[in-house]
Amino acid sequence: QSVLTQPPSASGTPGQRVTISCSGSTSNIGSNYVYWYQQLPGTAPKLLIYMNNQRPSGVPGRFSGSKSGTSASLAISGLRSEDEADYYCATWDDSPNGPVFGGGTKLTVL
Amino acid sequence: QVQLQESGPGLVKPSETLSLTCTVSGGSISSFYWSWVRQPPGKGLEWIGYISYDGRTNYNPSLKSRVTISVDTSKSHFSLNLSSVTAADTAVYYCARIPDSSGHGWFDPWGQGTLVTVSS
Repeated sequence: QSVLTQPPSASGTPGQRVTISCSGSTSNIGSNYVYWYQQLPGTAPKLLIYMNNQRPSGVPGRFSGSKSGTSASLAISGLRSEDEADYYCATWDDSPNGPVFGGGTKLTVL
Repeated sequence: QVQLQESGPGLVKPSETLSLTCTVSGGSISSFYWSWVRQPPGKGLEWIGYISYDGRTNYNPSLKSRVTISVDTSKSHFSLNLSSVTAADTAVYYCARIPDSSGHGWFDPWGQGTLVTVSS
């Protein structure tokens, strides 16, 4: 069971906006930055969002992150077929003092 | 840009030690933190531990008794040893950089991953 809670699945049609939630606690999301990773089928995870809402160069503006209290969200607007992937949230947890991940959300583009 | 590449045996016998190396190219290993993350087949990501360029370590408490991570800056690589493995340790093992001065940051970039199967 993961420290951070994500819905196991999400879906949308091309062009839609979808959001993926990530719920934690005061010892992790509540007091630390949140990161998001995209894992395309058969590949390594790739950084999508860092420091709650910052996009690395090369990540399209369709991806955005937000954080409020002990929860965070990843939003994908203008959904495209190539966005079909697993998405993981992550953060630092003050107890037990290390990085933690959500269980992952499988996004399906219908 | 920095690239990471894992290497090591793809098959390890139960009770033996899993050993992997991550070679860093395109940049210096002598800064930031360097980490191992694993992913059992069909499951999510699990942080194993990390090491700083100067040898400070932090391990996942659930694995701490079996994990050792070391760094060799002269060879630009860092290594993972996981002892007393069982079938539950079968996973794709990734190495990744934490480009943050505290070790509390994000993982970027990642290696391509290597599948390690524990079986007799």
